[in-house]
Amino acid sequence: KAGVTQTPRYLIKTRGQQVTLSCSPISGHRSVSWYQQTPGQGLQFLFEYFSETQRNKGNFPGRFSGRQFSNSRSEMNVSTLELGDSALYLCASSSPGRGGTDTQYFGPGTRLTVL
Amino acid sequence: AQSVAQPEDQVNVAEGNPLTVKCTYSVSGNPYLFWYVQYPNRGLQFLLKYITGDNLVKGSYGFEAEFNKSQTSFHLKKPSALVSDSALYFCAVSLGGYQKVTFGIGTKLQVIP
Repeated sequence: KAGVTQTPRYLIKTRGQQVTLSCSPISGHRSVSWYQQTPGQGLQFLFEYFSETQRNKGNFPGRFSGRQFSNSRSEMNVSTLELGDSALYLCASSSPGRGGTDTQYFGPGTRLTVL
Repeated sequence: AQSVAQPEDQVNVAEGNPLTVKCTYSVSGNPYLFWYVQYPNRGLQFLLKYITGDNLVKGSYGFEAEFNKSQTSFHLKKPSALVSDSALYFCAVSLGGYQKVTFGIGTKLQVIP
């Protein structure tokens, strides 16, 4: 099976712009989670989608949003970019087994730099 | 609220020696515990998980971890370290049942030739 893919891999934006990142999960996986990784804060959970519905949300401002399509592909959007949004954005997909949360498989990430 | 602590920012070990990367957790319920590894400029790779059953869990690349409920720990171990094991290691916890996963801050493992 193909792994989780994320596009683009690298992105440079300026403050105030908006950005959309894309994630294609492993075929058959219906859960997609997004994380922000920075050297100072580590991995922080953004949100998780399952069957086009946001199921969990982290503590990020409303500038961060996401959605999931019927084919399980997911996008996240950041509006009004700030310098502090510079980070590696990771997407993970999983196929919850009996009882719920199963192993998450991560994509390579999108490196966002805000100038 | 659930949390994960990885008390060591960095662990140095000589090649061939046993290694341990520490993790403690806090959840109000039965934990699902995970270890992931991240190589430079890459996403995270799954190593192993504990859901239920035997407290000693074996995973990829010769790694294993022991679940200790009384100490709320889930330390990662390997009997003989390789230089190629040098990477960033993350411990994670969730409550299962579609609950979100919380990651530790990560521990950098440096294996010295």
